[in-house]
This record gives sequence, structure tokens and C-alpha cells, in this order.
Amino acid sequence: AQSVAQPEDQVNVAEGNPLTVKCTYSVSGNPYLFWYVQYPNRGLQFLLKYITGDNLVKGSYGFEAEFNKSQTSFHLKKPSALVSDSALYFCAVRDRRGNTPLVFGKGTRLSVIA
Amino acid sequence: DSGVTQTPKHLITATGQRVTLRCSPRSGDLSVYWYQQSLDQGLQFLIQYYNGEERAKGNILERFSAQQFPDLHSELNLSSLELGDSALYFCASSVVPAGGSFTGELFFGEGSRLTVL
Repeated sequence: AQSVAQPEDQVNVAEGNPLTVKCTYSVSGNPYLFWYVQYPNRGLQFLLKYITGDNLVKGSYGFEAEFNKSQTSFHLKKPSALVSDSALYFCAVRDRRGNTPLVFGKGTRLSVIA
Repeated sequence: DSGVTQTPKHLITATGQRVTLRCSPRSGDLSVYWYQQSLDQGLQFLIQYYNGEERAKGNILERFSAQQFPDLHSELNLSSLELGDSALYFCASSVVPAGGSFTGELFFGEGSRLTVL
């Protein structure tokens, strides 16, 4: 069975500082990995995905994520945080084999303080 | 705007009642997914439909059922409601079903917030 762990419920960072939101995953084969963001009273929005190739994936709004197979991690990063980045972030994984929907982590609330 | 429409946005009802949540996917998307978001369980996959047929089932209770109609809209029916069913229910859509070589993202609606009193 596939699963995702986001070890931090809350991450606080000062505006202008780099941010990292952690994610580790477990799948039986090679994963497809995704990050989504949820703003208050809104649905989830796609940020970026890892399918294959370069381990560093760039996405929307200046976010990037690094796939690390040996550590089964896919941490979300941004070099300089903005107050507007404050939101709930979800990591998701899917096994490449079979008909398996996306499995989401429980989410990490990012708070960027001015 | 993701293009996925969910109604109603808010719903308050009593225990034991039945409700229906509706989802219209993005134009052209054949696959619909239902997720439940609660504070303690996070985002849980409930069920997936592709072009009218059930494709995958997750942690969906027997009191819940869903279907996808010929016009591709989907409905999630929740019956014998309990306090613990209070949650935000999301619908998402994609062009193809999430299986095999599908690498695309899901497009989510803004959710239906169900409160059971």
C-alpha cells in the first residue's frame, strides 16, 4: 500500500527566508509524486510533480521539490518565502503500476511571517 | 478557477438524514474522484469513476454511494448521517483515470462543507 508522511503539522518561516516542507513516501514500486496547495476556503491547486528524469522539479510560484530515492523523500522548497505563500500544503504519491488514485499526506500548514 | 463545480458549497443537516453532493467535472474530463477532508483524517480518497463506471474504491463507508451520469457529472450520496461525517468533501477530475501511465494532475473543486448536527 502506498502512503505519505508529512512530519510537520505547522511550519513557520520569516518572509524572505528559505522554506522547506517535508514529505516522505512509501510505495511498492517507483512513484509519481505531487505537491498541492490549499488556500483558505478553496480547493487544492496543483504545484508540481515528479515523474522521471531530473531529481529537482520546478513548479508554480517559484516552488521546487527534490526527489531523493534513497531517502524516499520529496521535500518542497522555496528560496525566499512570501506572506502570500501561507497556506496548507499537501504531498501526494501514486504507484506507477495499476489503477491507484493519488494518496495524500495530512498536510502541513505554512505560515510566513512578515 | 479549476473548472470543477461542486454544489452545494455548504450544507447543514441532522443526524440520520441523507444528502446528495453534486460535481460537474472540467469540460472534457472523463474521470471523477471524491475525497473527504477532515481535521483528524486529512484528505481521504473515497471513490473514482471513469466515463460512468467505478474504477477504484477507497475508504468509503457503506452508508455512502456515488455514481457518474452519462453527462459525466457525479453525485455522492451520504445517508444515515453521523456527527463524524462532518467534513469537507472534494470532487476532482482528470482527462483519464489515474492508473498505469497517467502522470497528470487532478483538478479540484472548491468543496462542499457538510455539517451534521
